[in-house]
This record gives sequence, C-alpha cells and structure tokens, in this order.
Amino acid sequence: NAGVMQNPRHLVRRRGQEARLRCSPMKGHSHVYWYRQLPEEGLKFMVYLQKENIIDESGMPKERFSAEFPKEGPSILRIQQVVRGDSAAYFCASSLSTDPGTSPLHFGNGTRLTVT
Amino acid sequence: AQKVTQAQTEISVVEKEDVTLDCVYETRDTTYYLFWYKQPPSGELVFLIRRNSFDEQNEISGRYSWNFQKSTSSFNFTITASQVVDSAVYFCALSEIGDYKLSFGAGTTVTVRA
Repeated sequence: NAGVMQNPRHLVRRRGQEARLRCSPMKGHSHVYWYRQLPEEGLKFMVYLQKENIIDESGMPKERFSAEFPKEGPSILRIQQVVRGDSAAYFCASSLSTDPGTSPLHFGNGTRLTVT
Repeated sequence: AQKVTQAQTEISVVEKEDVTLDCVYETRDTTYYLFWYKQPPSGELVFLIRRNSFDEQNEISGRYSWNFQKSTSSFNFTITASQVVDSAVYFCALSEIGDYKLSFGAGTTVTVRA
C-alpha cells in the first residue's frame, strides 16, 4: 500500500513563474491537507480538501495560492507569480477521517520549492 | 487558540548519551491529542507517537520514551543511548479532539556525534 506521494521532490522557479505541486493520497483516503514549512520553522496548516471540495482554507494566503482535489487525479497546490518568500517545503497529508485520534495523518515526503 | 513551544532549538550530544526534548503546549480544550514527529536529513516526516489527553501513562518504545504531565502541560521525549541515526529535527504537535488541524512546534534539531 503506497504512502502519500508528492511530486516533484524539488522544484526551482524564478520569481513570477507558477509552481504546481502534486499530491496523491494514500489509497482509500479522501481527506487531503497541505502544510507549509518555512525555513527553521514548524509546519503550518494551509488547506483541507475532500474530493472536489475545499473544506477549510483558513491557512492559505489570500492571493496567488489555490488548491484543488479533483474527482480524478491528484490534489494540486498552485502558487502563481512566485516570490522568494514562497521558498519552503510543502507537505501533503491524507487521512481516512478527520479525527487524528482514530485516523492519523500520513505525510508525504514533501516538495521543496526554491524561488530564485 | 492552541500553541506548542519547543524551547530548545538545537541539542548536540555524543553517541550513547541520553537526550530529552521538551514540549510545552497551550490549549483551552480539556481533550486533545499530542504527537511527536521525526524529520531526518532526507526531509520526510516520520510519525513517532500519538497520545490523547485522557491517558497520562508514560510510554516506552525501545530507546524512546515519553513523559506526559498534564499538570504542567508538557509532553517530553527522551532518547536513551542516542545513536548517530537519531540525528534529525523532532517536532511536537497538538490537535484538539474533533479538529483535523495539527499545530506544530518550531522543532528541535538533534545532532548525535560519533
């Protein structure tokens, strides 16, 4: 049973370009979460999605960031017009249910975005 | 609002020494979960333990042990007889029961020297 798959592992973008980060949840998991880890910091919640729905995007910057989890295919975190401050590790996690006590989060290996 | 504080930024030890990582949390809820994750140099997040607030029993798993003290809002983690492979960043996290969001501490970088 494959774990949470994220790609690419490393992504380099110039300022102003778009970054697309992909996440395939564990088989059978319909809940997907994105977290961001800035340098020297812990992970911060960004967004929670179920298939075709954004449930909670309270941690997402208001501009340039968007996320989707289509009926078919992986979840995508899109960052438009990237700036140097977007450089971070972006982690995706998935779960069977929303209760971390009974259904713990499984994290992917992360995508490390570097904006030059 | 919930908050997790890991006051130790970096700890460096020599192999076979014990190392204890501190974690202090704040939450208004009486029911919650606490977690520890390990992030080795390769970057992935490895789940180590989940503890709910009802269970204050300390836990031991091999060289790892956890001390949960609800009275002081602490959930400390000890690595006994450390090894070079224990070198990593360790994160403590909190989730209120019924909430899917985890609040992470800033992490403690552990370096074990041979």
